Amino acid sequence: EDQVTQSPEALRLQEGESSSLNCSYTVSGLRGLFWYRQDPGKGPEFLFTLYSAGEEKEKERLKATLTKKESFLHITAPKPEDSATYLCAVQARSGGSNYKLTFGKGTLLTVNP
Amino acid sequence: DADVTQTPRNRITKTGKRIMLECSQTKGHDRMYWYRQDPGLGLRLIYYSFDVKDINKGEISDGYSVSRQAQAKFSLSLESAIPNQTALYFCAIQGTGYGYTFGSGTRLTVV
Repeated sequence: EDQVTQSPEALRLQEGESSSLNCSYTVSGLRGLFWYRQDPGKGPEFLFTLYSAGEEKEKERLKATLTKKESFLHITAPKPEDSATYLCAVQARSGGSNYKLTFGKGTLLTVNP
Repeated sequence: DADVTQTPRNRITKTGKRIMLECSQTKGHDRMYWYRQDPGLGLRLIYYSFDVKDINKGEISDGYSVSRQAQAKFSLSLESAIPNQTALYFCAIQGTGYGYTFGSGTRLTVV
């Protein structure tokens, strides 16, 4: 069974204080790892897809990296508007036509001004 | 128009009532999903559909049913609502890049 564990559950930062969120996963062959941002009461919003170990993607203050066992979402010099819940999800290569994603429980990030 | 539209946005219903949540999409994708989200439990898959004739149960399908009326429409029904079905419900579509696009969600409260 595919499993995704995100840590920490919650993270509080001061504006400008860089940090990283972790997503560790167990999957029988990784087809893709996905990062989403979710604001309160809204649907998750797509950030990145990573497909193979060593891959990196960047968007503004966010950078996602991938190894064979985990992914990190690095946040550089965060601003209050980066406050949100960040979700990680994996898609297994096995399973034929089954493309469903398995999600972690998320990390609630709060950035104080 | 949004890629994925969910209606209603908020709903309060009484225990035992039947309720339907609706989802429609404008992207023409075949794969559609229903998830519920609860604090501390994350997103859990209820049902998914790969086309109009292919509907599958997810990990928490008990107490729910679905209907894929057309490629663009995928509805979730609670046949007899109970309080522990109070949650935030999301519909998602999936294109060729394998990632999901989510709707804005339906906040359902069962009293």
